[in-house]
Amino acid sequence: TQLLEQSPQFLSIQEGENLTVYCNSSSVFSSLQWYRQEPGEGPVLLVTVVTGGEVKKLKRLTFQFGDARKDSSLHITAAQPGDTGLYLCAGDNTGGFKTIFGAGTRLFVKA
Amino acid sequence: NAGVTQTPKFRILKIGQSMTLQCTQDMNHNYMYWYRQDPGMGLKLIYYSVGAGITDKGEVPNGYNVSRSTTEDFPLRLELAAPSQTSVYFCASSHPGGSVTGELFFGEGSRLTVL
Repeated sequence: TQLLEQSPQFLSIQEGENLTVYCNSSSVFSSLQWYRQEPGEGPVLLVTVVTGGEVKKLKRLTFQFGDARKDSSLHITAAQPGDTGLYLCAGDNTGGFKTIFGAGTRLFVKA
Repeated sequence: NAGVTQTPKFRILKIGQSMTLQCTQDMNHNYMYWYRQDPGMGLKLIYYSVGAGITDKGEVPNGYNVSRSTTEDFPLRLELAAPSQTSVYFCASSHPGGSVTGELFFGEGSRLTVL
């Protein structure tokens, strides 16, 4: 059974701080995605990484896929209250129809 | 743009009752999914469909049934509701991604409580 473990489970920081959240597995994935979910809404895709070692940037967010394609990290620079939410990583080896999700990292950024 | 629409948004059921969660998408996606989300547990795949007339079990299918008579609609049926089915249910859709996972588009969720 493939599992994705996310850490930390919960993070509360002050506005302006930097943070990194991690997504780890013992399995290799052909691609890995990061989603962000706000209360009362469904998850929304932030990024998909495909190549081992790949780094993608989305404004203040930097995503990295591990060289062995078993892990990923999300780094946020100068966090803002608008970054508050649940960050989910999701991995897949089936072309999309059996994507598995980690339990998520709940981020709270205080003004 | 409607995207993925789920109804109802909230529902309270008594143990043993049945109900159907409705899901429709207007993006002409072939793939559709039902997930449930429990606190601290992430999203678990219940059932998925790769096209009209084709459905298959996900990770946690027991107690649920689905059908896919059209590309647009993918209802989830709960028979004999149990407290363990208290959860938030998300319907999602995507294009086939080949070797690269396509983006999952989610509905806003349906919060179900079984008492």
